[in-house]
Amino acid sequence: DAKTTQPTSMDCAEGRAANLPCNHSTISGNEYVYWYRQIHSQGPQYIIHGLKNNETNEMASLIITEDRKSSTLILPHATLRDTAVYYCIAYTGTASKLTFGTGTRLQVTL
Amino acid sequence: AAGVIQSPRHLIKEKRETATLKCYPIPRHDTVYWYQQGPGQDPQFLISFYEKMQSDKGSIPDRFSAQQFSDYHSELNMSSLELGDSALYFCASSTTPGRSSTDTQYFGPGTRLTVL
Repeated sequence: DAKTTQPTSMDCAEGRAANLPCNHSTISGNEYVYWYRQIHSQGPQYIIHGLKNNETNEMASLIITEDRKSSTLILPHATLRDTAVYYCIAYTGTASKLTFGTGTRLQVTL
Repeated sequence: AAGVIQSPRHLIKEKRETATLKCYPIPRHDTVYWYQQGPGQDPQFLISFYEKMQSDKGSIPDRFSAQQFSDYHSELNMSSLELGDSALYFCASSTTPGRSSTDTQYFGPGTRLTVL
């Protein structure tokens, strides 16, 4: 699986958009970009995934660059409950392992 | 919607004892994964099963074994427990994707194992 690089930590004011970047310059054509988050020792929570196109669901939006070397997860209106570690993972999606990096610790503040 | 169920949620064992963790996947999910998360660390993949066969293996100690049963639930058996085995153990499940899709892993709440 391709290595991903994320900032160690980010802050965001409640109600503002949180934009979390991820670099995955060695991603291969069959690898999806997946985002999970982990809220203090809870099980990792699936957020969103994409291959080439931008994606949106009820939780977030995922913007993938045309060359697929980077992506951005957008939480449109961050709340205190969005405070968590966010993981960007390149995954082939073939019943194999998810490789968690160090992730980005997002702190949402009042 | 039904989620992954793990039991027990908390387990305390002494060194050299054995432990069995159980995972019940989301209904109609046929693949189960086990991850270990030590204190202050990120989750690390241990092993996975698809249709009761081992599908992938990570850095799982030889003291650990796992299997998936006919009802798709899985058990992680841990023997000769060591202090370093104290961790959160997560189970995830997924379903076989369609041709143009991918299998998303959904995680359970975890089992916190403490070895004294």
